[in-house]
Amino acid sequence: ETGVTQTPRHLVMGMTNKKSLKCEQHLGHNAMYWYKQSAKKPLELMFVYNFKEQTENNSVPSRFSPECPNSSHLFLHLHTLQPEDSALYLCASSLLGGGGGYTFGSGTRLTVV
Amino acid sequence: SQQGEEDPQALSIQEGENATMNCSYKTSINNLQWYRQNSGRGLVHLILIRSNEREKHSGRLRVTLDTSKKSSSLLITASRAADTASYFCATVEYSGAGSYQLTFGKGTKLSVIP
Repeated sequence: ETGVTQTPRHLVMGMTNKKSLKCEQHLGHNAMYWYKQSAKKPLELMFVYNFKEQTENNSVPSRFSPECPNSSHLFLHLHTLQPEDSALYLCASSLLGGGGGYTFGSGTRLTVV
Repeated sequence: SQQGEEDPQALSIQEGENATMNCSYKTSINNLQWYRQNSGRGLVHLILIRSNEREKHSGRLRVTLDTSKKSSSLLITASRAADTASYFCATVEYSGAGSYQLTFGKGTKLSVIP
């Protein structure tokens, strides 16, 4: 257990479904991130939250909607996804200002059918 | 965007041998980090080397950084079967307003054969 918890571990959803991924950290970190990892591609940064304010949105389609109610929790709301959105979605957290190491969760394996 | 590129893409060695993985990047960085990922799991932070450092050790890991060549290497000595995983370098750039952006390469898949 790294201190960053992601649920669910696995998710299968249809293209018309709406689901949410959850991430939680109690490490005292003040920045949280969503990454997407697809086969044979580098990890892609999707969203960054600093002190629960979104600071980055790397051209992510609107069918992915992040929410950060506080600095310990991060959600990724999913709706009308496409099969190519199937991937491992990783949440990470870090301390701002030091350029230090990130702590990752174990990820949610998402399959869109 | 800045991206580390690992080399080789895959590496297979016998237990006890040393494993060396290389990473090249394109622009100025604040620091460079190495991560490990077991199959289908999250990434684990291994070591961080700052742009003003040239070498760093942590247990059986040795990382070097050559900012003039924009390259880094990760050496795992006396490898074990449990070291089998994918290894990623990640470059960190300051992106303004106190924020840093971490960008990953595609990784090196290491297999250590018992």
